[in-house]
Amino acid sequence: RKEVEQDPGPFNVPEGATVAFNCTYSNSASQSFFWYRQDCRKEPKLLMSVYSSGNEDGRFTAQLNRASQYISLLIRDSKLSDSATYLCVVNRGTGGFKTIFGAGTRLFVKA
Amino acid sequence: EPEVTQTPSHQVTQMGQEVILRCVPISNHLYFYWYRQILGQKVEFLVSFYNNEISEKSEIFDDQFSVERPDGSNFTLKIRSTKLEDSAMYFCASNEGKGTNYGYTFGSGTRLTVV
Repeated sequence: RKEVEQDPGPFNVPEGATVAFNCTYSNSASQSFFWYRQDCRKEPKLLMSVYSSGNEDGRFTAQLNRASQYISLLIRDSKLSDSATYLCVVNRGTGGFKTIFGAGTRLFVKA
Repeated sequence: EPEVTQTPSHQVTQMGQEVILRCVPISNHLYFYWYRQILGQKVEFLVSFYNNEISEKSEIFDDQFSVERPDGSNFTLKIRSTKLEDSAMYFCASNEGKGTNYGYTFGSGTRLTVV
């Protein structure tokens, strides 16, 4: 089983739609969680950290369920500019070695 | 906004040649990393660096790879004898601290093509 699993997509949605991405992780010792976005052939960019209580940043809402080892990202009112690959990232502890990237979920937002 | 800068943006090299990829992390960051991403695949950890030494490295980071922080600003990745399978995008990243809640700031990457 992969340590971080994501639905690869692609998700094709119209502008204005709400879309949700899911991610599961296998290591129960994982300590911190992030969502990054990556545009084609560009670097990953930190979108938001994910906290146990859930957190929101504008149109983006992240949730964490430690019992189910599940992370989600909800995007409301999708924009064309949201088209990208969304990477679920799990940190098992300090240091980069224990930071595991999921393979990403591709999102296409259409006009 | 502070950024991590990488040079060159694209490097083509012949198999067996040495390459040096350069990075300037954000100035007040303490932890530095190299990641790579083969086209169409996921981001993979290579090495982390703190206090002028390697703190962790992955299986990918074998004897052909080395890192250096030759002065107070640059952070380099050297591949001694490149192989075709080293062709990938190499990303440098940095963050402020070792706490688990710190995300990374990535540079824009160097696309390495080994021919």
